[in-house]
Amino acid sequence: GQNIDQPTEMTATEGAIVQINCTYQTSGFNGLFWYQQHAGEAPTFLSYNVLDGLEEKGRFSSFLSRSKGYSYLLLKELQMKDSASYLCALHNAGNMLTFGGGTRLMVKP
Amino acid sequence: DTEVTQTPKHLVMGMTNKKSLKCEQHMGHRAMYWYKQKAKKPPELMFVYSYEKLSINESVPSRFSPECPNSSLLNLHLHALQPEDSALYLCASSQPFPGLAGVGNEQFFGPGTRLTVL
Repeated sequence: GQNIDQPTEMTATEGAIVQINCTYQTSGFNGLFWYQQHAGEAPTFLSYNVLDGLEEKGRFSSFLSRSKGYSYLLLKELQMKDSASYLCALHNAGNMLTFGGGTRLMVKP
Repeated sequence: DTEVTQTPKHLVMGMTNKKSLKCEQHMGHRAMYWYKQKAKKPPELMFVYSYEKLSINESVPSRFSPECPNSSLLNLHLHALQPEDSALYLCASSQPFPGLAGVGNEQFFGPGTRLTVL
């Protein structure tokens, strides 16, 4: 099976930087996704890492280390609208996603 | 069009009712998915259709019956549900096979149907 761990909740200040970690145990996977989900809404795609290293997309960056079983999502210049749940998910054969429990981020003024 | 639509948005049903959830996409995706999401929990995969054929059933009870009439539509037929089946039901679509690294692999989610079983 696959085991994915994320912190349950985090709080950060508007304008700051926050790093949301995701650790996993698995025998194999294609890549790792990060999704954002606002309360009561659908998850929306943020990033996908296949290779080790950093992928940057504007204010959001995602990092993967396969050898360490570790990924993180970095959010810069936090805005109030970034308050949401952030889900990391392992991408497996058959296009199956296994989601972590999600991290609820609260951005405060 | 990069949208996945789902109807209805909300559904309340009794344990003896039969109802259906509908999902539609026009992105040319050939893989479609049903997920169940309980409050403050991540989505859990239920079914995967690839090229209109059921490819994965994650040990879902038979009171949930999926159907893929064509490449754009996905239904979930509900019968004799239990109160614990109350949840947000999400539909998603994607390309069926992983493409180049980081390209075209993501699943696009619909807004979900909020189901309450009384």
